[in-house]
Amino acid sequence: GQQLNQSPQSMFIQEGEDVSMNCTSSSIFNTWLWYKQDPGEGPVLLIALYKAGELTSNGRLTAQFGITRKDSFLNISASIPSDVGIYFCAGFDQTGANNLFFGTGTRLTVIP
Amino acid sequence: DAGITQSPRHKVTETGTPVTLRCHQTENHRYMYWYRQDPGHGLRLIHYSYGVKDTDKGEVSDGYSVSRSKTEDFLLTLESATSSQTSVYFCAISVKQWSYTFGSGTRLTVV
Repeated sequence: GQQLNQSPQSMFIQEGEDVSMNCTSSSIFNTWLWYKQDPGEGPVLLIALYKAGELTSNGRLTAQFGITRKDSFLNISASIPSDVGIYFCAGFDQTGANNLFFGTGTRLTVIP
Repeated sequence: DAGITQSPRHKVTETGTPVTLRCHQTENHRYMYWYRQDPGHGLRLIHYSYGVKDTDKGEVSDGYSVSRSKTEDFLLTLESATSSQTSVYFCAISVKQWSYTFGSGTRLTVV
C-alpha cells in the first residue's frame, strides 16, 4: 500500500508554543486530510485540503496542500493542553480507489 | 455526531476462535469501512462496503471477512483469530466525499 511518512513521531512542547508537523508521500495525492485522535477514541477530522497549494485554517490550526501534491503540513499556533493527542495525515491517491491512506501519526504532548 | 457505534468496545479471545465485530450506523450512509490501528502503522484498511452485499478488500484483508446484509450494519469476522490480529479496530463511514467519520474503536486481544 501507499506509504505516508509523517514527522516528527512525537513532540513535547510548552503550552503557548507553536507546533509544526508534516507528511510526505512517494506518490501524488489528490486530497490531503488531517485527523486528531484522543485516547480511547477514533480519529476526528480537523482539516481537508483538495487543491495543490491550498492553505486552509480551522481556528488555531493551519494546513497546506503541497505544490508537488506529495506533501502536506499542519501548524498549530499557541498550543493549549487539550491539543494533546495523536495527529494523523491521510490522503487519497490518484487512482481514485476508495482507500484513505494514513500516516503513522505524530504524538503531541503539551506541558502546562 | 454521525451516529456510528462499534461493539464490543473490548474483547479478549483465544487463538483459533472466531470473532465478529459489529459496526452500526443510524444515518443510512452507503460507504462503510473497517480499519485496524497498530503502533508504527497508522490505520490500515481491511475491507470496505459500498452498499448492501457489496464489499471489497482493502490493504490488509487476509484473515478477515465482512458482511453487510443491511445498510446500517457492517460486520467484521476473524474466522480463526491469531495473535497478529491483536489490534484496535475502527469502523468508519463516509459522511461526504473524502470525509470519513470514525467510531470509537474495538480493542481486540488474542491470547
